[in-house]
Amino acid sequence: AQSVTQPDIHITVSEGASLELRCNYSYGATPYLFWYVQSPGQGLQLLLKYFSGDTLVQGIKGFEAEFKRSQSSFNLRKPSVHWSDAAEYFCAVGAGTGGFKTIFGAGTRLFVKA
Amino acid sequence: GAGVSQSPSNKVTEKGKDVELRCDPISGHTALYWYRQRLGQGLEFLIYFQGNSAPDKSGLPSDRFSAERTGESVSTLTIQRTQQEDSAVYLCASSRTTGAQETQYFGPGTRLLVL
Repeated sequence: AQSVTQPDIHITVSEGASLELRCNYSYGATPYLFWYVQSPGQGLQLLLKYFSGDTLVQGIKGFEAEFKRSQSSFNLRKPSVHWSDAAEYFCAVGAGTGGFKTIFGAGTRLFVKA
Repeated sequence: GAGVSQSPSNKVTEKGKDVELRCDPISGHTALYWYRQRLGQGLEFLIYFQGNSAPDKSGLPSDRFSAERTGESVSTLTIQRTQQEDSAVYLCASSRTTGAQETQYFGPGTRLLVL
């Protein structure tokens, strides 16, 4: 069965520091992978997605993610975190044909300290 | 254009009552999804509509949950005889069409509290 694991429930980084949020997936075929961000009081917003091709994907707000098939990982990175990046981040895998479901990880809450 | 909207934004109800949650997808989006997000947890898939096809109800947790969608417009999620464990944020999303590669656009959610 498809699954997504985000091993870190929460992470705290200093403003200006680099960030890496971990995501591991389980899926039998080539997955479609997504990262979403949920800011307080707001809906989920897509940061980036991977379907095929270049394994390093650029997204909005300066985020990037790298697909590593050998590690079944799709980690999210940002070189310099801003206070406004404090939010909850969800990794997701899109799977199936016909009826389609997106499987979400439990999320990682990012705290940014001054 | 307008994004996905949901109403009400908050709902407090008593155990045993029925509730109805509404979702207005982005105009022209044929696919619509409902998710449940319990406190501190990820999103749990509930149901998926695609055009006039039969919905994928495989995520509905019990027969107290049902959802309808008229054509490619509004959808309502109904929870009958609510229980305290139904307390959660219910999120609706729509996408242009079906397919695992499609971007889903989420509404702000309805926060449901069952007392």
